[in-house]
Amino acid sequence: DGGITQSPKYLFRKEGQNVTLSCEQNLNHDAMYWYRQDPGQGLRLIYYSQIVNDFQKGDIAEGYSVSREKKESFPLTVTSAQKNPTAFYLCASSSATDTQYFGPGTRLTVL
Amino acid sequence: KQEVTQIPAALSVPEGENLVLNCSFTDSAIYNLQWFRQDPGKGLTSLLLIQSSQREQTSGRLNASLDKSSGRSTLYIAASQPGDSATYLCAVSGSARQLTFGSGTQLTVLP
Repeated sequence: DGGITQSPKYLFRKEGQNVTLSCEQNLNHDAMYWYRQDPGQGLRLIYYSQIVNDFQKGDIAEGYSVSREKKESFPLTVTSAQKNPTAFYLCASSSATDTQYFGPGTRLTVL
Repeated sequence: KQEVTQIPAALSVPEGENLVLNCSFTDSAIYNLQWFRQDPGKGLTSLLLIQSSQREQTSGRLNASLDKSSGRSTLYIAASQPGDSATYLCAVSGSARQLTFGSGTQLTVLP
């Protein structure tokens, strides 16, 4: 059963803590993306990766970091430098056809 | 910088009505335009993708049009059903394939 999985579904972070959100895909897609969604708003691009071992900053990369060591995996770390991290985080992947396929999302809340 | 606007922000219609959702973008140099559906607390589902060289795409009761020169797209939903209730997001892709999203139209179809 192909698709994109994100874990955990809900995540709580204390002030000053780093947390890592998982994103895995078995669609054999080269490109992967991380977006942030705030209530009542569209998605904003955090980071994207077109190929293994390479990634680029999106519009709101400050306070976030990523790695792309495997084609299937693109984890996102929310660092303590991100001052307002409470949001819904969505991961996506795409192939040459350009349609982006999204995971179910992770809701991060700062306590 | 590309900006995407969706009007209206919310729409409520009786079941069976045909409806149109609007999307406009400021930079006509796009690679493609995509329409997505998002149910509350869930990820995004791709509905239609229109390449920049195309004028429209159809899938079942959905028809999306693209007028690149005027920076506009419409999503037409025929014979609306309560199951169509969701938020509909428009996104445009630039040359690097990143998506810029609108804020969405929240649709409610009343039985």
